[in-house]
This record gives sequence, structure tokens and C-alpha cells, in this order.
Amino acid sequence: SQELEQSPQSLIVQEGKNLTINCTSSKTLYGLYWYKQKYGEGLIFLMMLQKGGEEKSHEKITAKLDEKKQQSSLHITASQPSHAGIYLCGARGGNYGQNFVFGPGTRLSVLP
Amino acid sequence: DAGVIQSPRHEVTEMGQEVTLRCKPISGHDYLFWYRQTMMRGLELLIYFNNNVPIDDSGMPEDRFSAKMPNASFSTLKIQPSEPRDSAVYFCASSLSSGRISYNEQFFGPGTRLTVL
Repeated sequence: SQELEQSPQSLIVQEGKNLTINCTSSKTLYGLYWYKQKYGEGLIFLMMLQKGGEEKSHEKITAKLDEKKQQSSLHITASQPSHAGIYLCGARGGNYGQNFVFGPGTRLSVLP
Repeated sequence: DAGVIQSPRHEVTEMGQEVTLRCKPISGHDYLFWYRQTMMRGLELLIYFNNNVPIDDSGMPEDRFSAKMPNASFSTLKIQPSEPRDSAVYFCASSLSSGRISYNEQFFGPGTRLTVL
């Protein structure tokens, strides 16, 4: 079965600093999703990447997909306390599958 | 739209009791997913439905767990009898497919925090 690993497990940065979170898949990726979760709340969709080399940005968050390496990275520029939370990557179990697997998450803290 | 609605938000019960979690997906969405989240195992897919039909229940841990979707606007996840190891946050999510393959994001509910004593 497909597994997703994330690194680092946790991250503490000073406000204004840039940071990168990585997600690596054990199998071919058929779409990679990034979600953010705050404690006690559900997951909030951030971005979806489908094609190798694809890059998407939303405000100060940029995600890239390296299909060959079966990896994706999430980069936050000039981090703010509002960016704090748990970031999870998710992927479909197959090209036509709806079953989803998620990474363990990266816990981000941003110090003011 | 109010988003995915789950109830109750918190449930505390004693071992052996029946627990029923409820979910109302976003209107018009044709896929519904049940997940469980724990510190040890992270977020796990339990079962998902397409047009009210269960498609994949391979993630359901044991026969004590059952899920139903009697109509497009309601689903339940039942645990009978409940055990302390079932304590977790249970999420419901829904999505809208585009054609045969859904590439659209899943919208998550706020979750139900279940504690089994």
C-alpha cells in the first residue's frame, strides 16, 4: 500500500522566516494534496498538484510536485503566526482510486 | 453552504456502549468519506461512499464498526460495542466528482472527538 512520509515532523520558526515541508511517497503519485489542520478542527484544503513539475501558489504558500522523485514540497515565505498548525500531504491510492492516504503531518509553530 | 456538518462534536461513553456518529455532506457532493485520526496512526480512511453506495470499506477496523448512507444528505458511523482503543477524532469529508474520476478536493467536517472510558 502507498505510504507518505513527511519531514520534518515538527518545525519552530521565527516570524518572517521562510520554511519548507517535504512529502515523499513510496509509490507513484497520482495527484498530491496539501491540507492544513488546526488543533481541534478539520482539515482545510490548500492546494492540489497533478502533474510532474507543477507548481502552485496561494498567498505566501507555494507547493511543487516532483513526480519522478515522488516528492512534493510546501514552501512558506515570510511566515506569520497565522501559518501555525499541522500540515498534511495526501495522495490517492491509484490513478482511478478514491481512497486517500495521508502523511503523518508536520507541526509548525511560528514565534512572534 | 454550511459545509460538512458532523454531530456530536464530542462524545464520551463507557466501554461496551453503542456509539453513533452522524454526518451531513455538502449538498450536491457525490462522495462521502469517513476518517479516523489518532496520535499513533495519524489520519486513516475507514470507508467511502459514492452516490450512497459503499465503495471501499477495507479501512474499517473490525466488525464492530459499520457505516450507512441511507440518502445523499446523511451518513452514520456506528461502533457497537465501543472499546477504549476506539477513542479518536472521527472526520467526515465529502467531494464532488468531475466525470468518472474526482480530482477535486475533499471538504472536511469539524470532526467528532470520541472518548471511550
